[in-house]
Amino acid sequence: GNSVTQMEGPVTLSEEAFLTINCTYTATGYPSLFWYVQYPGEGLQLLLKATKADDKGSNKGFEATYRKETTSFHLEKGSVQVSDSAVYFCALSASNTGKLIFGQGTTLQVKP
Amino acid sequence: DAGVIQSPRHEVTEMGQEVTLRCKPISGHDYLFWYRQTMMRGLELLIYFNNNVPIDDSGMPEDRFSAKMPNASFSTLKIQPSEPRDSAVYFCASTDRELSYNEQFFGPGTRLTVL
Repeated sequence: GNSVTQMEGPVTLSEEAFLTINCTYTATGYPSLFWYVQYPGEGLQLLLKATKADDKGSNKGFEATYRKETTSFHLEKGSVQVSDSAVYFCALSASNTGKLIFGQGTTLQVKP
Repeated sequence: DAGVIQSPRHEVTEMGQEVTLRCKPISGHDYLFWYRQTMMRGLELLIYFNNNVPIDDSGMPEDRFSAKMPNASFSTLKIQPSEPRDSAVYFCASTDRELSYNEQFFGPGTRLTVL
């Protein structure tokens, strides 16, 4: 079946450090892939997405590339800020349904 | 568009009481999802609707939970009777699958506390 695995958190970084949050998936067909972010006390909001292999999604300095050969969609940012502190969820779309399959979430803490 | 609207934002109730959570999806979206988020279990899909019809309710924890979508612009999640273990943040989300590649738009959530 479809599944998403994210690296365990929390991830603690200093401001301006490089960020990588790993995400791998198992899916049939050709799912779309997403990264959602949840700031404290808020709902999830889309950070970026990629709909086919080799696509790169990007937003607010974050990037992720859809790698079909390694079934991965790792999230990266070159220089994190304190304001990036949040929970990040990797997700894939389940074919022929409206459902998203979410990873367990990774908490990022950025210290000044 | 105002986005997905949920009410109330916070609900505190006593064990045994009935709780009703409300959701207004984005206009034109044909899918609606109810999720529950807790520290222990993370984000769980409870039920989802397509064109107002429940498609999959396998995530509904027990018979105390029920959900309805009487029309395209309104859905409710009801817990009767409520228990302390139901305390969580409940999110509603909607999507237009054809246009959005299954991107879901989330509401701000309802934080439920059952005493």
